[in-house]
Amino acid sequence: AQSVTQLGSHVSVSEGALVLLRCNYSSSVPPYLFWYVQYPNQGLQLLLKYTSAATLVKGINGFEAEFKKSETSFHLTKPSAHMSDAAEYFCAVSDIDYGGSQGNLIFGKGTKLSVKP
Amino acid sequence: KAGVTQTPRYLIKTRGQQVTLSCSPISGHRSVSWYQQTPGQGLQFLFEYFSETQRNKGNFPGRFSGRQFSNSRSEMNVSTLELGDSALYLCASSLVIAGGPHEQYFGPGTRLTVT
Repeated sequence: AQSVTQLGSHVSVSEGALVLLRCNYSSSVPPYLFWYVQYPNQGLQLLLKYTSAATLVKGINGFEAEFKKSETSFHLTKPSAHMSDAAEYFCAVSDIDYGGSQGNLIFGKGTKLSVKP
Repeated sequence: KAGVTQTPRYLIKTRGQQVTLSCSPISGHRSVSWYQQTPGQGLQFLFEYFSETQRNKGNFPGRFSGRQFSNSRSEMNVSTLELGDSALYLCASSLVIAGGPHEQYFGPGTRLTVT
């Protein structure tokens, strides 16, 4: 069964510093991986997705993630943090693709990112 | 294009009551999934509907049910509410086309409080 582990429930960085949020997955088949962001009192917004087309995936708001099969990782990075990046970030893996249809998402526990001025 | 909408946004119910939450997917999206988000358990999958049929179900008791209408709108119902059902309920819609799982677009959620 697929699973996702996010290392670090809280990460704090200074404005302008590198953001690195860690995600490791477990999957018996080639995974479909996603990063979502959640601002307070809002739903989830898709940042980026990996579907085996390219190992380095660029998303919105300057975020990107690199798929590393050997490390079973899909870490999220951003070169320079902004105050507006403060939110909770979720890594997710899609359940097994059955018949080309939509599977459910299995989420990590989330990482809250704080950005200090 | 309008996003996923959920109504109501906030709801307060008493133990033992039942509740119905509504979700309107993005136009053209035929798959609707529901998730429960709590501080303790995180985000957990409830069920997925496609073409008015429940296609996948998470590990929740039978008190949680749902349905989908011919216009793809979906409702979920929770009967005999318990305090532990207090949560943010998120609806997500997605396209269903060949080529594997596609991204899900989430609504703002319904915050249910059970007293």
